[in-house]
Amino acid sequence: QKEVEQNSGPLSVPEGAIASLNCTYSDRVSQSFFWYRQYSGKSPELIMSIYSNGDKEDGRFTAQLNKASQYVSLLIRDSQPSDSATYLCAVIRFPNSGYALNFGKGTSLLVTP
Amino acid sequence: NAGVTQTPKFQVLKTGQSMTLQCAQDMNHNSMYWYRQDPGMGLRLIYYSASEGTTDKGEVPNGYNVSRLNKREFSLRLESAAPSQTSVYFCASRPITGPGTEAFFGQGTRLTVV
Repeated sequence: QKEVEQNSGPLSVPEGAIASLNCTYSDRVSQSFFWYRQYSGKSPELIMSIYSNGDKEDGRFTAQLNKASQYVSLLIRDSQPSDSATYLCAVIRFPNSGYALNFGKGTSLLVTP
Repeated sequence: NAGVTQTPKFQVLKTGQSMTLQCAQDMNHNSMYWYRQDPGMGLRLIYYSASEGTTDKGEVPNGYNVSRLNKREFSLRLESAAPSQTSVYFCASRPITGPGTEAFFGQGTRLTVV
């Protein structure tokens, strides 16, 4: 079982809608959770980080963390065609692998005009 | 401010050839990592260097070696390339050897082994 699980998608939402991306992780000692966006042929870029239970908002993006359920999500409000990309969930386990980020396989998001 | 720089961006190798992928960061980060990304497999950790002077194996180290030349540079070497090593390789760095900060990625090296 991979440590970080995401639905591969594609998730298709109309422009202006809310996109909801989900991620579960297997290790309860996980700390530090991240959402990255990756456009085709490009490198991952950070969207949000979250370290404690609850919600964290940044512009149109909201990250939600529930450590008891081992679940982290990303909401994108007012989705735009430019949001079409693959979204990678990443988790840091303590203290393995030099605190490397463990990534899910990513969810492909398509925002249709 | 360049961030994380990888060279080359593209490379085609013949089976059995060797090459070194270069990575340099100018952010004074302690930790550096090499990942490979394959369709349907996500990003997988090859090797990491938690701090200058240390290196260790990640999830998929077979067929690779690394060198942490100094705090800035972390290279990945393929001694005898195989078609299974066709992939996109990303170097990443983090400021501290500990949780709580994100990784910054280079632009990637697209490697094809024929």
